[in-house]
Amino acid sequence: GAGVSQSPSNKVTEKGKDVELRCDPISGHTALYWYRQSLGQGLEFLIYFQGNSAPDKSGLPSDRFSAERTGGSVSTLTIQRTQQEDSAVYLCASSPRTSGGENEQFFGPGTRLTVL
Amino acid sequence: ILNVEQSPQSLHVQEGDSTNFTCSFPSSNFYALHWYRWETAKSPEALFVMTLNGDEKKKGRISATLNTKEGYSYLYIKGSQPEDSATYLCAFNRDGTSYGKLTFGQGTILTVHP
Repeated sequence: GAGVSQSPSNKVTEKGKDVELRCDPISGHTALYWYRQSLGQGLEFLIYFQGNSAPDKSGLPSDRFSAERTGGSVSTLTIQRTQQEDSAVYLCASSPRTSGGENEQFFGPGTRLTVL
Repeated sequence: ILNVEQSPQSLHVQEGDSTNFTCSFPSSNFYALHWYRWETAKSPEALFVMTLNGDEKKKGRISATLNTKEGYSYLYIKGSQPEDSATYLCAFNRDGTSYGKLTFGQGTILTVHP
């Protein structure tokens, strides 16, 4: 079956511009996570969705970052007024159950964001 | 701050060699430890999720052990093949109230030479 998909796969933007990154989770998966990997760093948690609500936004680095999820499916991560330090690979993952660290996460291929 | 450390950072082995990597994590409030394999240009793929102290899991030539009391996990690859070349990530989940949020180590980059 179809896995997690993300678009675009690559995005180059100029400093100060807004960008939107999209994630299509596996159908029926209720939990959705966004992570990012900056150069030389490990994967860093950004936000968690349960259905359409986000009970944990603790990883969003600043108020320039926001995310939403609609219909319990597609999620969009928006970065406003991008900065060079936002350059990273942004990964989305979904999981079939409501919560719990014992559940495997299924990752998308990521969006590589480069801010010039 | 949760620190998940992986060692070594990178490893080069010859085809047929057996190898192992280490993941260390906080031993308090442990809930689950995940191992993922991330091949270049692909999505990270789950290898194992372990929750119990003393857990040992195996998938083909790859196996993992877990010690929650001392806060470490080992990943073993027996008879490495070039297709095993990837970044191996471990990730820690702290107690069951954190919505499955994972804290990742920086990964071990494995290169298997034919």
